[in-house]
Amino acid sequence: DAGVTQSPTHLIKTRGQHVTLRCSPISGHKSVSWYQQVLGQGPQFIFQYYEKEERGRGNFPDRFSARQFPNYSSELNVNALLLGDSALYLCASSLLSYEQYFGPGTRLTVT
Amino acid sequence: AQRVTQPEKLLSVFKGAPVELKCNYSYSGSPELFWYVQYSRQRLQLLLRHISRESIKGFTADLNKGETSFHLKKPFAQEEDSAMYYCALNTNAGKSTFGDGTTLTVKP
Repeated sequence: DAGVTQSPTHLIKTRGQHVTLRCSPISGHKSVSWYQQVLGQGPQFIFQYYEKEERGRGNFPDRFSARQFPNYSSELNVNALLLGDSALYLCASSLLSYEQYFGPGTRLTVT
Repeated sequence: AQRVTQPEKLLSVFKGAPVELKCNYSYSGSPELFWYVQYSRQRLQLLLRHISRESIKGFTADLNKGETSFHLKKPFAQEEDSAMYYCALNTNAGKSTFGDGTTLTVKP
């Protein structure tokens, strides 16, 4: 198993645009969480999905949304991009709620 | 609201010296606490969790509810311990909160 995979690796968008980030969990993992990591800070929790339902949400505006598909892969969508959305976006999957396995991240740059 | 504080951004010790990475938290409920580590050019990975009370790579961490702390300790640091360390708290509402991390450098 390749572990958690994320696509794309890097992305450059313009203010006001929309972006979709994708995550494939480890086989058998039913929970996926999304984090935003700004340089010099720890990961900030955005969402957790378990069995296709939202289980937790962090303090992010409604421009951020996510969903989980029947195969447990997940998408994070961000609308109306702002410069401040530039960050590394991490996805983590878990079999049980505590042991999270992280992906390599998607580096989003908003210009 | 929950909060995790790692007061040291940078920590440098010599090989063989004891090391302690500090973590303080605030949460009104019963927390689950974790330490994650990120080695150079690698992914973030779980190091240990307080419930398991394990020793991983020589590291231990004890949850002190009175002081709301979960400090990470190792009696004899090794050069391969050099990495970024994050303390994290999970709530029963499915929310995770990470500290801003401590960069540990172990000098030869």
